[in-house]
Amino acid sequence: DTEVTQTPKHLVMGMTNKKSLKCEQHMGHRAMYWYKQKAKKPPELMFVYSYEKLSINESVPSRFSPECPNSSLLNLHLHALQPEDSALYLCASSQFPGLAGNEQYFGPGTRLTVT
Amino acid sequence: SQELEQSPQSLIVQEGKNLTINCTSSKTLYGLYWYKQKYGEGLIFLMMLQKGGEEKSHEKITAKLDEKKQQSSLHITASQPSHAGIYLCGADTLRSGGSNYKLTFGKGTLLTVNP
Repeated sequence: DTEVTQTPKHLVMGMTNKKSLKCEQHMGHRAMYWYKQKAKKPPELMFVYSYEKLSINESVPSRFSPECPNSSLLNLHLHALQPEDSALYLCASSQFPGLAGNEQYFGPGTRLTVT
Repeated sequence: SQELEQSPQSLIVQEGKNLTINCTSSKTLYGLYWYKQKYGEGLIFLMMLQKGGEEKSHEKITAKLDEKKQQSSLHITASQPSHAGIYLCGADTLRSGGSNYKLTFGKGTLLTVNP
């Protein structure tokens, strides 16, 4: 099974709201990722967790706060977002962090709209 | 940083026709991935190629890696409407200052298959 699940599927939030995106995988993968994808653009890496520790932050604004409670779960906490943060947020996982030749499996994404 | 150029940007074919999508890297390829994405959905992993001359097939989709040319091609035989979507190539990019890799994507090829 190569399934990564994400909830919610859609989210609309105001600029003063606090919300969280959730991601789960049960493949025993030790690396988990958050990507942001704007319309008609490829996904862009935001964060990488390796063995449940944050290993890469691609200079993401602090209004995005990732969390990895355990090896299967990944959260993205959102606070005081801007309308330009509206995008498809994708979670992915791979068996080993940081190595080449290590395919990533993606979830279905959360479509976020900030009003 | 590594850049991946995909061609064509979009492609419209008649059902039953063969087609090829290309992905060219500006740097050495350590791992090359092909993904398919339906609009607004997650990425579906198709294939990974690592070695020069490597060729992999999945159903009617074949991908090849030409290491010398730093190029990969994705070929679909006898296309069907179910093949429609956005095809993204991705490559392992060595992060600056370290030995870790991250996945970067080309801009994608939008495939339409007319019945």
